[in-house]
Amino acid sequence: RKEVEQDPGPFNVPEGATVAFNCTYSNSASQSFFWYRQDCRKEPKLLMSVYSSGNEDGRFTAQLNRASQYISLLIRDSKLSDSATYLCVVNWYSSASKIIFGSGTRLSIRP
Amino acid sequence: DARVTQTPRHKVTEMGQEVTMRCQPILGHNTVFWYRQTMMQGLELLAYFRNRAPLDDSGMPKDRFSAEMPDATLATLKIQPSEPRDSAVYFCASGPGQGRETQYFGPGTRLLVL
Repeated sequence: RKEVEQDPGPFNVPEGATVAFNCTYSNSASQSFFWYRQDCRKEPKLLMSVYSSGNEDGRFTAQLNRASQYISLLIRDSKLSDSATYLCVVNWYSSASKIIFGSGTRLSIRP
Repeated sequence: DARVTQTPRHKVTEMGQEVTMRCQPILGHNTVFWYRQTMMQGLELLAYFRNRAPLDDSGMPKDRFSAEMPDATLATLKIQPSEPRDSAVYFCASGPGQGRETQYFGPGTRLLVL
């Protein structure tokens, strides 16, 4: 089993729709979590951190479920510009920080 | 608008040649990461520095890859000798290192080894 898993998609949804995807992780000692977005042939960009209490940034909501070991990203009122690959990142700490990126979920918003 | 810079942006070389990639982290950031991204493997962490000291380079093939931080404003990743399977996009990222490991990525170096 991979340490961090994501549904590769693609998720193809109409503009204005709400879309959600999850990322599961295997290490219960994982301590910090992030969502990044990556546009085609560009670098990943930090979208938001994921906090235990859940957090919201405009149309984006991130949640953490430690019991089931997954994080989620919800996008409301999706825009064409939301089309990208969304990468989850999980960190845990042993002798050094372990940082694992998921393979990404492709999202395509259609007009 | 502070950014991570990487040079070169593109590199085409022949098998066996040395490749050096450079990264300038965001001023004030004390953590630097090197990643490799391919279609097959996704984004893989190669090495990770904090305050210029290597913390984890377990993801890096030791026989041909080396990563250093000669000073706080420069990180280098070298491949010697390069092989076709090293063809990938190499990203550098830096972070403020305040425990949560937020990272800001550079534009990447696209490497093609023929």
